[in-house]
Amino acid sequence: DAGVIQSPRHEVTEMGQEVTLRCKPISGHNSLFWYRQTMMRGLELLIYFNNNVPIDDSGMPEDRFSAKMPNASFSTLKIQPSEPRDSAVYFCASRLSWEGTDTQYFGPGTRLTVL
Amino acid sequence: EDQVTQSPEALRLQEGESSSLNCSYTVSGLRGLFWYRQDPGKGPEFLFTLYSAGEEKEKERLKATLTKKESFLHITAPKPEDSATYLCAVQRKGSNYKLTFGKGTLLTVNP
Repeated sequence: DAGVIQSPRHEVTEMGQEVTLRCKPISGHNSLFWYRQTMMRGLELLIYFNNNVPIDDSGMPEDRFSAKMPNASFSTLKIQPSEPRDSAVYFCASRLSWEGTDTQYFGPGTRLTVL
Repeated sequence: EDQVTQSPEALRLQEGESSSLNCSYTVSGLRGLFWYRQDPGKGPEFLFTLYSAGEEKEKERLKATLTKKESFLHITAPKPEDSATYLCAVQRKGSNYKLTFGKGTLLTVNP
């Protein structure tokens, strides 16, 4: 299996620009997570989808952040407009959600730098 | 609010020098405690899940243990390839998805 695929791997943009991060979960997985990792705050859950439906978006920092999952094979995290404090590594993770397993499998991440 | 504290923040060992990493947690009912390994520039890689106090799991040179307040990741005779950041996370009862992570321990094993 190819694992969780994220693109781009690196993104450098200027303040005020729109940024779109992409994720392809592991085939057959029905849960998808977006995380943000910074030195100060560590790894934080932004949003959780189950069967393509957003279940918990309480970690989304503000209205500038939005996430979609139009189908089981694709999700996006959009930041508009971007700010320097959004600079971080963003991870996507997926899981096959059924009783008896909780393991989340992470992608390689997208390193976002907002100048 | 769930809290996870990992110590030490960084640990430097010589190859073959065994040691332990600590993960202290505060959660209102533990559903599971997770250990992940993260290499530079990569995403966290799953190692273990522990569900109840007294439980132990092993994988190669790593052994994870769990008490009601903390978990230890014991590393026996480490090799340079064990160098990584080790992350601990907790999941509370009533949630089957939310993980609260600690900030990790950066382990460096010198040859």
